[in-house]
Amino acid sequence: NAGVTQTPKFQVLKTGQSMTLQCAQDMNHNSMYWYRQDPGMGLRLIYYSASEGTTDKGEVPNGYNVSRLNKREFSLRLESAAPSQTSVYFCASSEHGSTEAFFGQGTRLTVV
Amino acid sequence: KNEVEQSPQNLTAQEGEFITINCSYSVGISALHWLQQHPGGGIVSLFMLSSGKKKHGRLIATINIQEKHSSLHITASHPRDSAVYICAVSIGNYQLIWGAGTKLIIKP
Repeated sequence: NAGVTQTPKFQVLKTGQSMTLQCAQDMNHNSMYWYRQDPGMGLRLIYYSASEGTTDKGEVPNGYNVSRLNKREFSLRLESAAPSQTSVYFCASSEHGSTEAFFGQGTRLTVV
Repeated sequence: KNEVEQSPQNLTAQEGEFITINCSYSVGISALHWLQQHPGGGIVSLFMLSSGKKKHGRLIATINIQEKHSSLHITASHPRDSAVYICAVSIGNYQLIWGAGTKLIIKP
């Protein structure tokens, strides 16, 4: 099983550019999440999707948009990248909100 | 004050030592998670527990709901256990509150 697959693994953007981070899970999970991880801080939730067709803001949603394309896929879009969005981004999924979470390998994004 | 506090922040030990990492939380939870983040960055779920104790190989996780405290123990530690160990709590609304992590280094 692939588990949670996110792409790309690395990306460098110029300020103002846009990009979409892709995430797909093959475990038939209902819930999917996007986190960012910054040095010295715990993971912070950007957006989550409790189930197909729903999305909700997390702790740090500003500057991001998401799409739950179907049950498998949950994408994160940066419309106009800023240096403050330089971070490592993780996608995760779980069967429900309080069940074990499975993580993708992360995307290291640098905005210059 | 953070809602999830881990201690210690950093821990260096010799191979073979018994390791304990602590997690305290201040909110009502539905479950507590222990995760491991490898030096390469990947995050793996180790345990999810809401009461008692769980064991997997050399790893043991305990939780005391009344005390709002959990511990992760590693017996017979090995250099390959070197990683960041993260405690997170589920508060029932699809969100996890994360600790800042404990960086563990096991020296041969």
